[in-house]
Amino acid sequence: DTAVSQTPKYLVTQMGNDKSIKCEQNLGHDTMYWYKQDSKKFLKIMFSYNNKELIINETVPNRFSPKSPDKAHLNLHINSLELGDSAVYFCASSDPGTGTYEQYFGPGTRLTVT
Amino acid sequence: QKEVEQDPGPLSVPEGAIVSLNCTYSNSAFQYFMWYRQYSRKGPELLMYTYSSGNKEDGRFTAQVDKSSKYISLFIRDSQPSDSATYLCAFGSNDYKLSFGAGTTVTVRA
Repeated sequence: DTAVSQTPKYLVTQMGNDKSIKCEQNLGHDTMYWYKQDSKKFLKIMFSYNNKELIINETVPNRFSPKSPDKAHLNLHINSLELGDSAVYFCASSDPGTGTYEQYFGPGTRLTVT
Repeated sequence: QKEVEQDPGPLSVPEGAIVSLNCTYSNSAFQYFMWYRQYSRKGPELLMYTYSSGNKEDGRFTAQVDKSSKYISLFIRDSQPSDSATYLCAFGSNDYKLSFGAGTTVTVRA
């Protein structure tokens, strides 16, 4: 059973397009995250939702819009894609309400903008 | 000063050697200390998690935390080629965020 899953695994698209990435977790966690990992492997948080409520919104262009339909799902929609958006995007989840602050990551979505 | 400092390596060791990885941090609010392992083209996988100073052992892995020096370490004993990966330190406080190091790439030579 996959704990945190993401679709698609790879995404190749052209500049200016709009795309979405989906994430689902079956761990029963109440908090989910989106991270961006650049070519130098640095992981930076973008957003976090706790029970469908946005709790972390880092300095991210407003072309990026997260959406959480329920606490097991967190999607990321990106408008007007730019070359600099090329990166690997990771979804993660945790359950800090139970004192569990460690985060569990999905396999990543490799986005290439041409 | 960066919030988290981690030597990016790369680090190359022969099979069976002890691998020693380190991170320093500056944020006194950090209470949770983690090590993740990331294989090429995979997601980070949680290896070790602790919230107190001292040592925590799990099989061949030992995590060490020194809060007074703001320093954490990960030791891998009897390293195997399957340990070849990037190792990321991560730090958390009660604000849900994790701050990651840049990652150290380790290669264990057979």
